[in-house]
Amino acid sequence: DAGVTQSPTHLIKTRGQHVTLRCSPISGHKSVSWYQQVLGQGPQFIFQYYEKEERGRGNFPDRFSARQFPNYSSELNVNALLLGDSALYLCASSPGLAGGRETQYFGPGTRLLVL
Amino acid sequence: DQQVKQNSPSLSVQEGRISILNCDYTNSMFDYFLWYKKYPAEGPTFLISISSIKDKNEDGRFTVFLNKSAKHLSLHIVPSQPGDSAVYFCAASAPDMRFGAGTRLTVKP
Repeated sequence: DAGVTQSPTHLIKTRGQHVTLRCSPISGHKSVSWYQQVLGQGPQFIFQYYEKEERGRGNFPDRFSARQFPNYSSELNVNALLLGDSALYLCASSPGLAGGRETQYFGPGTRLLVL
Repeated sequence: DQQVKQNSPSLSVQEGRISILNCDYTNSMFDYFLWYKKYPAEGPTFLISISSIKDKNEDGRFTVFLNKSAKHLSLHIVPSQPGDSAVYFCAASAPDMRFGAGTRLTVKP
């Protein structure tokens, strides 16, 4: 069975641009969460979606948005990119909505570099 | 606002010995704790978890201890193997997950 997949693997953008990152969860998983991992730090929670609805949001500006599709895949959008948005963006899926009490399975991440 | 702290950025141990990774937290509302390990170019992989109603959970070579009064948890790996070399993240749930900065474990043959 395929694990969590993310695309693209790497991305280079310039300040002010917009970026869309994509995630496909493990088959049968209905919850997708997004995390940002800056170099030298642990993953930081951005969003959780379950059944196409936002169920949790971390402390990120409104430039960050996401959505979940009927097939449970998800997109993370970041507008007006800043240099500080350079990071590894991780997607994680889990079967249901038990928050962190349910094992989350992570994808390999998308590495975003903003110049 | 670091609610989960891993104060040791790195740890080196000899193969066959015990590895002890530590984690401290500040939020008493956390009720579930997890350890993930991460290899380069891969996403974090779930290792072991513990509920706040327990003080110990064991899975093979991995044991997690929770001391609620001290707001401290630790991961013990016995015996350590070279394949355990990775970055280990402590995470806490309330219910969204908060991660520590990670500890890089190197197990030397």
